[in-house]
Amino acid sequence: DTGVSQDPRHKITKRGQNVTFRCDPISEHNRLYWYRQTLGQGPEFLTYFQNEAQLEKSRLLSDRFSAERPKGSFSTLEIQRTEQGDSAMYLCASSLSPDPNYGYTFGSGTRLTVV
Amino acid sequence: AQSVTQLDSQVPVFEEAPVELRCNYSSSVSVYLFWYVQYPNQGLQLLLKYLSGSTLVESINGFEAEFNKSQTSFHLRKPSVHISDTAEYFCAVSHPYNQGGKLIFGQGTELSVKP
Repeated sequence: DTGVSQDPRHKITKRGQNVTFRCDPISEHNRLYWYRQTLGQGPEFLTYFQNEAQLEKSRLLSDRFSAERPKGSFSTLEIQRTEQGDSAMYLCASSLSPDPNYGYTFGSGTRLTVV
Repeated sequence: AQSVTQLDSQVPVFEEAPVELRCNYSSSVSVYLFWYVQYPNQGLQLLLKYLSGSTLVESINGFEAEFNKSQTSFHLRKPSVHISDTAEYFCAVSHPYNQGGKLIFGQGTELSVKP
């Protein structure tokens, strides 16, 4: 198992364009989380899935953001009409259980730069 | 709601010196506590965690943290740091029974170990 994979590692886009990121969790993990990390800050929770169901969305997730996890495997996070304030590192994490004894495994992140 | 405060944004220290990274949390209910480490261009890695039981928890690479309920703190310590400990350290909390296992992070402390 290669851990949690995120693609792309880096993305530069012009303001107003749409972008999509992908996260491949550890295969047996049923929970998948998205976080956003801006420069100099800790990660902030965006949303999470249990299998294919999106169970919670943060108020940080405006209507320009949408996340999916079809078939309960990989997940995508799409940002429409990007703004400069969307520039951040987008982190994905997966876990087998909500029991923190198992812990999370984080991916290396996708760094988005909106110019 | 929970919140986490890391009191120092940057901690410079010389190699082989002791270090303490401070973390305080706010919560009206019991929480789980974590320290994560993030090396440049990498994802977050779990360093150690407190779930219950002994208030002193240790990592395999010499770090330890002590849960202090009365002071709502979970400070991270190491008696002798190495150059390789240079990284960003994040304190985090989660709620044991609901909120989906999401993590609430502090702002991070950049540990810089100098020769």
